[in-house]
Amino acid sequence: AQKITQTQPGMFVQEKEAVTLDCTYDTSDQSYGLFWYKQPSSGEMIFLIYQGSYDEQNATEGRYSLNFQKARKSANLVISASQLGDSAMYFCAMREGPRRRGYQKVTFGTGTKLQVIP
Amino acid sequence: DAGITQSPRHKVTETGTPVTLRCHQTENHRYMYWYRQDPGHGLRLIHYSYGVKDTDKGEVSDGYSVSRSKTEDFLLTLESATSSQTSVYFCAIKSPARETQYFGPGTRLLVL
Repeated sequence: AQKITQTQPGMFVQEKEAVTLDCTYDTSDQSYGLFWYKQPSSGEMIFLIYQGSYDEQNATEGRYSLNFQKARKSANLVISASQLGDSAMYFCAMREGPRRRGYQKVTFGTGTKLQVIP
Repeated sequence: DAGITQSPRHKVTETGTPVTLRCHQTENHRYMYWYRQDPGHGLRLIHYSYGVKDTDKGEVSDGYSVSRSKTEDFLLTLESATSSQTSVYFCAIKSPARETQYFGPGTRLLVL
């Protein structure tokens, strides 16, 4: 089974509108974390937002918020007031499992390509 | 932005040749990682380091070796490059105090 599932390979959104990018995850761990990264066409991976499994509040970072629904195992990224510069690939990722020498496995989804239309 | 650089940024090489990619950080972070990114696979961990001279394998380590002789540098070596190692390689760093990995700009490697 896929650990991270991003079911939307591509999405369009009108500039200034809000958009939700879906992410579901699969883990039996109680302690885990969820990330979103942005990858513009230039190629770099940019960290956007992080949510820990024990965090009671949904994470927010500026125009980004993470809609964390633990029972449904979903961690959707919401971008408010889309801008042309938001056009990029977006990756959901999860850290889980035993810590080994400080490392905890991080699994990435296959990404969603978002295009913002003027 | 985290101070991470990768060199070279682009490389074309021939099958069978050795290749070394360098990751350099100015953040003094303990943990460093090498990933490869391929279409349909997202990012996959090759090797990681939890300190100077301390490294361990990731999920796709075959054909790769690493070294870390200084905190700031993490080298990835393809001993004998193959076409299946054509990919984009990312280095990442992490502080023990935080959960987030921060990525370098990536290296595009083409093995002919």
